[in-house]
Amino acid sequence: RKEVEQDPGPFNVPEGATVAFNCTYSNSASQSFFWYRQDCRKEPKLLMSVYSSGNEDGRFTAQLNRASQYISLLIRDSKLSDSATYLCVVDRTGANNLFFGTGTRLTVIP
Amino acid sequence: GAGVSQSPRYKVAKRGQDVALRCDPISGHVSLFWYQQALGQGPEFLTYFQNEAQLDKSGLPSDRFFAERPEGSVSTLKIQRTQQEDSAVYLCASSPEGLYEQYFGPGTRLTVT
Repeated sequence: RKEVEQDPGPFNVPEGATVAFNCTYSNSASQSFFWYRQDCRKEPKLLMSVYSSGNEDGRFTAQLNRASQYISLLIRDSKLSDSATYLCVVDRTGANNLFFGTGTRLTVIP
Repeated sequence: GAGVSQSPRYKVAKRGQDVALRCDPISGHVSLFWYQQALGQGPEFLTYFQNEAQLDKSGLPSDRFFAERPEGSVSTLKIQRTQQEDSAVYLCASSPEGLYEQYFGPGTRLTVT
């Protein structure tokens, strides 16, 4: 079983839509959780960290369910510029050794 | 300010050749990481340095892969006797001490023919 599993998509949504991505991780001892964004042929960039209490940054909301080993990302009011691949990332060891999912590809359509 | 830089950006190697990929981290960043990203996949961890010490090399796929960071700044990832399955983007990332965010370079796209 992979360390981090994501639905690869693609998700094609109209501008203004709300879209949610989910991710599961296999190691219950995992310590920290993140969502990274990767544009086509570019490097990954940190979008947001994910905290147990859930956290929000503008149109983006991240949730963590440790009991179910499940992480989610919600994007509200999608913009064309949100089109990218969203990578679910887990730091299993606490030593900044990151495990990436395969990514979920989002395309926002005008 | 300057981000993480990598060179070369593209490298084509014939099977069996040795290659060396360079990473210049953000100045002052203590931690440096190498990842391998195959087409359609997420990055996979290769190795991690804290200053000049290589603390984790568990992700290196074989003994043909070797990484060093002799002075705690620039790092080189060397692949000996390249194979076709080594074709991928090699990403370098750095982070300041005590912080989780990793800043990635643009990557080196290696194609082995």
